[in-house]
Amino acid sequence: DIQMTQSPASLSASVGDRVTITCRASQTITTYLNWYQQKPGKAPKLLIYTASTLQSGVPSRFTGSGSGTYFTLTISALQPEDFATYYCQQCSNTPWTFGQGTKVEI
Amino acid sequence: QVQLQESGPGLVKPSETLSLTCTVSGGSITYYYWSWIRQPPGKGLEWIGYIYYSGSTNYNPSLESRVSISVDTSKNQFSLKLSSVTAADTAVYYCARLERDFQTGTYSLAYWGQGAQVTVSS
Repeated sequence: DIQMTQSPASLSASVGDRVTITCRASQTITTYLNWYQQKPGKAPKLLIYTASTLQSGVPSRFTGSGSGTYFTLTISALQPEDFATYYCQQCSNTPWTFGQGTKVEI
Repeated sequence: QVQLQESGPGLVKPSETLSLTCTVSGGSITYYYWSWIRQPPGKGLEWIGYIYYSGSTNYNPSLESRVSISVDTSKNQFSLKLSSVTAADTAVYYCARLERDFQTGTYSLAYWGQGAQVTVSS
């Protein structure tokens, strides 16, 4: 199985801050990488697919980049509604696997 | 806008079979891939498997011996069965629709149900 490792596990930031979350894959996955946002008690929501393509309706302050084994999700100016846990997920090989999550606290 | 809704028993006894159904509304189940994902309390996400509307499946090897996903196109539903459950199978179970990026071949879990809490306990 491909292991996905996110860092940090949690972070505390203020409204307006620039926040970056990293995701590393245990082997190359080219750009077969998706990012999700999950708020407490809710289903995950797709933010970015194919490493850098913004899902329709997602604010442009979210940016994804990377390829191979190293990926980042950046929130350019944190908003109060961005308090959530963020997961990366690889779809290069089955079984599809997720990172352990990064909790963003405002 | 497509909507998904999980349904099924919220409590299952150890060693029995967990059964959930996902009902799709606002769109057809045909020509898409459909998936199940679970999340144990306070933990991360685990992909269980997916099914194409035609019936072909792909399961997580960690669960493959116990899992079965089926589709009923006449009812616009797909279902999950997980046999011989233990407390470790206690989780919120989500159904989701896959979207494919035809330029790159990437699949993503684009539409999710609200989730169904399933507790395994006697």
